Amino acid sequence: EAAVTQSPRNKVAVTGGKVTLSCNQTNNHNNMYWYRQDTGHGLRLIHYSYGAGSTEKGDIPDGYKASRPSQENFSLILELATPSQTSVYFCASGAPGPPLYFGAGTRLSVL
Amino acid sequence: AQSVTQPDARVTVSEGASLQLRCKYSYFGTPYLFWYVQYPRQGLQLLLKYYPGDPVVQGVNGFEAEFSKSNSSFHLRKASVHWSDWAVYFCAVSSSNTNKVVFGTGTRLQVLP
Repeated sequence: EAAVTQSPRNKVAVTGGKVTLSCNQTNNHNNMYWYRQDTGHGLRLIHYSYGAGSTEKGDIPDGYKASRPSQENFSLILELATPSQTSVYFCASGAPGPPLYFGAGTRLSVL
Repeated sequence: AQSVTQPDARVTVSEGASLQLRCKYSYFGTPYLFWYVQYPRQGLQLLLKYYPGDPVVQGVNGFEAEFSKSNSSFHLRKASVHWSDWAVYFCAVSSSNTNKVVFGTGTRLQVLP
């Protein structure tokens, strides 16, 4: 089964600060994804990637950037964090195509 | 656009009782459908998947789901619920050649002793 590791697991940030969430996968999947999970919304796609050097906008990309420097690593960057970005963030990888394999999540609080 | 509706935000059942969690999808073409489970403070884990073929698919831990094209549904079932099934369950839809998976809002399952 795919191994997806996220760091940090918990993060407290200040409004206006920069936040970087990291994701590493070890199963050589081409596709990687960032979702956020909020009560009443389920999982919403922020950014995804087809491979090293590529990033694509998902359904809610505003306020977020992504970086895919290698096959294994995919980062989500909040340049100017806002309280509305307080959420649980999940990284996932896929072959391409379904199913997706998820990390354990990062709980971000922006104060 | 593809979408998934899980009409029940919360379902409560007694241990040993049967279970059905509902999922309705909207998709143009042939959908691939999934159920994921999320235990407290963990990521989502794949429970079962439907690729075009037999409409009834078996998953882990006694779960199964049935695909219905006429009803645009993919309901999850279990004959006898265990306390360890207490979790949030997500239904999702995709296709074989897309890189996007769309999730429902989830159903929180509570199991009473």
